[in-house]
Amino acid sequence: ELKVEQNPLFLSMQEGKNYTIYCNYSTTSDRLYWYRQDPGKSLESLFVLLSNGAVKQEGRLMASLDTKARLSTLHITAAVHDLSATYFCAVDSRSNYQLIWGAGTKLIIKP
Amino acid sequence: DSGVTQTPKHLITATGQRVTLRCSPRSGDLSVYWYQQSLDQGLQFLIQYYNGEERAKGNILERFSAQQFPDLHSELNLSSLELGDSALYFCASSVDGGLGDRDSPLHFGNGTRLTVT
Repeated sequence: ELKVEQNPLFLSMQEGKNYTIYCNYSTTSDRLYWYRQDPGKSLESLFVLLSNGAVKQEGRLMASLDTKARLSTLHITAAVHDLSATYFCAVDSRSNYQLIWGAGTKLIIKP
Repeated sequence: DSGVTQTPKHLITATGQRVTLRCSPRSGDLSVYWYQQSLDQGLQFLIQYYNGEERAKGNILERFSAQQFPDLHSELNLSSLELGDSALYFCASSVDGGLGDRDSPLHFGNGTRLTVT
C-alpha cells in the first residue's frame, strides 16, 4: 500500500529565508504532484513531476523528483508572505486509479 | 478559475438530514473525484467516476453515495447527516481515469462547505 509522508507538517519562517518541504513515498511511482491551498479555498496545481530527475521552477518555488529515493522536494527561495499556504504533495499509485495525498505542510511566512 | 463548478458553496443543515452536492467538471474531462476535508485536516478521497462508471472508492461511508450522469456532471449524496460530517467537500476532474497518461493534474472546484448543526 502506497503511503505518502510530508515533513515538516508545520513551518514558520521569516521572509527572505530559504527552506525545503519533503515528500517521501513508500512504493514505486513516477508521477508526483504539488498543490497549494489557501485557508478555506480550493487546491491549486503547482507542479506535475513525471520522471526521475524532473525539476520544475515557478517563481520562488522549485520542485524536484527522485524516483529512486522515492522523494520529492519543494524548495522555497527568499520566501515572501504571499507564499503562506498549505502545500500538499500527491503521488499517483498507478495501480488503483488513485492519488495518495500527503497530510500537507502548513507554511507561515512572517514579514 | 479551474473550470470545475461546485454548487452550492455553503450548506447548513441539521443532523439526520440528507443533502446533495453537485459538480460540473471541466469541459472535456471524463473523470470526477470527490474529496472530504475536515477542519485543518488533509484530503480524504471518497470516490471517483470515469465516464459514468465508478472507478475507485476510498473512505466513503455507506451513508454517502455518488453518481456521474451522462452529461458527466456528478452528484454526491450525503444522508443521515452527523455533526462529524461537517467539512469542505471538493470535487476535482481530470481528462483520464488514472491509468495511462497522467500528465494532467486534477483540477479542483471551490468546494461546498457543509455545516451540520
